[in-house]
Amino acid sequence: DTAVSQTPKYLVTQMGNDKSIKCEQNLGHDTMYWYKQDSKKFLKIMFSYNNKELIINETVPNRFSPKSPDKAHLNLHINSLELGDSAVYFCASSRVSGRYEQYFGPGTRLTVT
Amino acid sequence: GNSVTQMEGPVTLSEEAFLTINCTYTATGYPSLFWYVQYPGEGLQLLLKATKADDKGSNKGFEATYRKETTSFHLEKGSVQVSDSAVYFCALPSAGGTSYGKLTFGQGTILTVHP
Repeated sequence: DTAVSQTPKYLVTQMGNDKSIKCEQNLGHDTMYWYKQDSKKFLKIMFSYNNKELIINETVPNRFSPKSPDKAHLNLHINSLELGDSAVYFCASSRVSGRYEQYFGPGTRLTVT
Repeated sequence: GNSVTQMEGPVTLSEEAFLTINCTYTATGYPSLFWYVQYPGEGLQLLLKATKADDKGSNKGFEATYRKETTSFHLEKGSVQVSDSAVYFCALPSAGGTSYGKLTFGQGTILTVHP
């Protein structure tokens, strides 16, 4: 059983397009995250949701808009894609009252041409 | 806020060599400390953790000890295997003790083990 799943795994698109990445967790966690990993493997948090409420928004262009329809799902929509958006995007989840252990999805490799 | 500084890589070793990846931290109080591992083409997964000073986390032959005197949490393994080739991240909760679990990650260390 997949704990944190993301779709699609690969996404190739042109500049200016709009795309979405979906994430689902079946761990019963209350908190979900989006991370961006660049080509040098540096990992940066973008957003965090707790029980469908946005709690972390880390200096991300407003072209990026997360949406959480329920606490098991967190989607990421990106408008007007730019070359610099090319990266691997990871979804993660954790218990709110836990010891901060996070469970990561397999990642979505976004390539903007 | 809390921060972590991780040994720069990449690190290249021969199989059965000893591994150390250094991690030092700056934090308010004594937060839990983590090592995550990212195998090629996969997401991060928790390798080990320590929740208080002097704790030793261990898993898959890897160990790390929470040392408050030196503010360090170095990762060690006595004999690495080719299958240990991965990126390793040191991490700790961000400042403020938020219960929402925000983590600060080190820059990652790429480890390559040759047969």
